Amino acid sequence: KAGVTQTPRYLIKTRGQQVTLSCSPISGHRSVSWYQQTPGQGLQFLFEYFSETQRNKGNFPGRFSGRQFSNSRSEMNVSTLELGDSALYLCASNADTGVATEAFFGQGTRLTVV
Amino acid sequence: AQSVTQPDIHITVSEGASLELRCNYSYGATPYLFWYVQSPGQGLQLLLKYFSGDTLVQGIKGFEAEFKRSQSSFNLRKPSVHWSDAAEYFCAVGAGGYSTLTFGKGTMLLVSP
Repeated sequence: KAGVTQTPRYLIKTRGQQVTLSCSPISGHRSVSWYQQTPGQGLQFLFEYFSETQRNKGNFPGRFSGRQFSNSRSEMNVSTLELGDSALYLCASNADTGVATEAFFGQGTRLTVV
Repeated sequence: AQSVTQPDIHITVSEGASLELRCNYSYGATPYLFWYVQSPGQGLQLLLKYFSGDTLVQGIKGFEAEFKRSQSSFNLRKPSVHWSDAAEYFCAVGAGGYSTLTFGKGTMLLVSP
């Protein structure tokens, strides 16, 4: 079974631009979560999508948004990039069948804002 | 709100020695607890999880963890550390549904020869 796939792996953007990151979950998984990892703040939850609906949201500004498609693939978008948005963005998928299950993470997308 | 504390930022252990990484959580209900490991520039790999039942859980790579409700702890242990265990370790609690995790700040494990 293929794991969680995130594209691209690395990205360099200029301040003020916008960026879209993609995540393909494990086949059959309906829940996709996004996390931001920085040296200062650690791992922080951005949002979670389940069956194309945002189910949970972390404490991030509205510049951070996401969506999920009918095939469970998810994208997150960051508009008006700031230097502080430089981070490793991790996607996790979860079967979420109603019975407790674990999250599986992708390799992440390293975003550098210059 | 839930929180996770990993009191040790760095730990150095000699190869072959035993290891214990500490994790304390704060959560109002029955917690779902996880330990993940991250190698540089990589994603997170699940080591083990606790949902319910036996409070001593076994994971991959010879790791185990013990859930102690009275101490709100979920410490990770390994009897004999290998050089390949050098990485950063994260404790996490599941909240708001299994798919939303709150992580500790991580403990960087260094293994000396």
